[in-house]
Amino acid sequence: QLLLQESGPGLVKPSETLSLTCTVSGGSISSSGYYWGWLRQPPGKGLEWIATIYYSGSTYYNPPLKSRVTVSVDTSKSQFSLNLSSVTAADTAVYYCARVDAYRSSSWPFDYWGQGTLVTVSS
Amino acid sequence: QSALTQPRSVSGSPGQSVTISCTGSSSDVGGYNYVSWYQHHPGKAPKLMIYDVSNRPSGVPDRFSGSKSGNTASLTISGLQAEDEADYYCCSYAGTYTPYVFGLGTKVTVL
Repeated sequence: QLLLQESGPGLVKPSETLSLTCTVSGGSISSSGYYWGWLRQPPGKGLEWIATIYYSGSTYYNPPLKSRVTVSVDTSKSQFSLNLSSVTAADTAVYYCARVDAYRSSSWPFDYWGQGTLVTVSS
Repeated sequence: QSALTQPRSVSGSPGQSVTISCTGSSSDVGGYNYVSWYQHHPGKAPKLMIYDVSNRPSGVPDRFSGSKSGNTASLTISGLQAEDEADYYCCSYAGTYTPYVFGLGTKVTVL
């Protein structure tokens, strides 16, 4: 059973950088046809896709966030990471990591998710 | 890109059927057969229930079915069970630069 687990600070100060890591277990992060993604859900709002990365390092970003987001992958640790810079209160959200199944469908659905981690932006 | 429109809540008794609608536009739901549905029990990992409008991943009960007509997609849960009580989110492809547009979610309550 594939498991994903987000980790990182639950509180970040405004203007600083939010950093999260997703650890993948029960499967290979280097499997062909599977990508890895980050999403978030602000309190009371809908889900928002942030970025997607392949184990080779290819990245895809949501245009409104692209200037502030960096994603990376460390296959040796079976982890991928998210950095979101210059955060404001609007970045307060539950952040999820997920596997993207490009093998199953051209729509690249998210077929496995982490439980999510709440990150609050506040001084 | 605007969020897809879902009813805030639907409810039904055990054994009944409920349908959740997901309305978008010709730029997303209506333009592609790339609608997916996710089930989310609060505090747990969301789960993929339907992809590409009507396809079920292995392990998802056939009580869950998806369809689409025009700019509106639908998720139907037949034979409602207590464990189906959760939040459900639809998602649609909306083009190369907006591969994912989500709905705001629908809370399903089993009476």
